[in-house]
Amino acid sequence: GAVVSQHPSWVICKSGTSVKIECRSLDFQATTMFWYRQFPKQSLMLMATSNEGSKATYEQGVEKDKFLINHASLTLSTLTVTSAHPEDSSFYICSAREQGGIQPQHFGDGTRLSIL
Amino acid sequence: GEDVEQSLFLSVREGDSSVINCTYTDSSSTYLYWYKQEPGAGLQLLTYIFSNMDMKQDQRLTVLLNKKDKHLSLRIADTQTGDSAIYFCAETGYSSASKIIFGSGTRLSIRP
Repeated sequence: GAVVSQHPSWVICKSGTSVKIECRSLDFQATTMFWYRQFPKQSLMLMATSNEGSKATYEQGVEKDKFLINHASLTLSTLTVTSAHPEDSSFYICSAREQGGIQPQHFGDGTRLSIL
Repeated sequence: GEDVEQSLFLSVREGDSSVINCTYTDSSSTYLYWYKQEPGAGLQLLTYIFSNMDMKQDQRLTVLLNKKDKHLSLRIADTQTGDSAIYFCAETGYSSASKIIFGSGTRLSIRP
């Protein structure tokens, strides 16, 4: 079945570092991918909708300059957390769905980001 | 705006059935999902149902949809310790660009 691969699965880095997270659809093309953030014991919060070949659409309250999204191809979207600080520590998850509106959303395994 | 609600906790005895309930507000929802999340892991799609269906059964899982009341439930038969997890109800529209709206998640714990 459709698989979404997310890399890396865990990142620990110093404050001020920029971190890139990749989301790939392995066996289907995705013009739209979604990026979520999940705090401990909470639900997923949609951060932005990543659109292939165009700018991402950010949810209210999400800083676009802080969370850079690039969707350069039909199988790859990246989220870069720029100048990360401890408050950016979280679990980030991406998802994608095949075109055609038939298949459900599939999620990556998530990236746990820890900023020291 | 759209909203999806579910209770936060459910505790059942091993071997019993678990029923997790969910209500949603968006009458234009096309897909309704149940996802499972184990500690430290991503979301695993358990099952989904189209809005024109009333019921879907897949092995131990039964999904019931009452579209009139905008109520969705997930029944897990013969609940096992491996079923301990957080279960998220979610809904979305038809387009691949439609956002998914998640519930808060129900933490299912199993008693011996």
